[in-house]
Amino acid sequence: KNEVEQSPQNLTAQEGEFITINCSYSVGISALHWLQQHPGGGIVSLFMLSSGKKKHGRLIATINIQEKHSSLHITASHPRDSAVYICAVRSDTGNQFYFGTGTSLTVIP
Amino acid sequence: DTEVTQTPKHLVMGMTNKKSLKCEQHMGHRAMYWYKQKAKKPPELMFVYSYEKLSINESVPSRFSPECPNSSLLNLHLHALQPEDSALYLCASSQGAGSRATTFGSGTRLTVV
Repeated sequence: KNEVEQSPQNLTAQEGEFITINCSYSVGISALHWLQQHPGGGIVSLFMLSSGKKKHGRLIATINIQEKHSSLHITASHPRDSAVYICAVRSDTGNQFYFGTGTSLTVIP
Repeated sequence: DTEVTQTPKHLVMGMTNKKSLKCEQHMGHRAMYWYKQKAKKPPELMFVYSYEKLSINESVPSRFSPECPNSSLLNLHLHALQPEDSALYLCASSQGAGSRATTFGSGTRLTVV
């Protein structure tokens, strides 16, 4: 069983739709990251959370520490949002980073 | 400078070649990481350097040899690789080994022929 589970694995949306990607984890963490990876590789860190909620433009990330759950929301989705979104947690016991398997998002014009 | 820079972006090498991947950051981060990512899979940790000393080696084959010559630079030396080593190699850095904020590079796409 993975330490980090994401859902859904694949998501197709129409432009303008509200999108939610979920992440659950089973280890103690010091921080949770939402990462974006476009085809071709490079990873961009969207958010780092240890509690509460963060917003950046059309992106919102929330975390519930008690429930070990986080969500990434995209409002008014756009084709340029098409990418793989990865949830990753940093263990509170050391250097280890645990990655989810990613959610592949395609936004259709 | 808030980036992790990786070179080259793409590399094709034969199984008998020796090549090196380079990673550089000037954020004063003291922990640096190498990850390997196969297609449609999450990144897998290979090595962690903390204060220029190797602190984690995730049972990586010896054909991958990391080197941290100074606090800004991390190399990954490659020798006698196999085609299954073809992957995206990502470098990352953080303020300290336990620091929460991590910056990732764009990766080197390696193809072994």
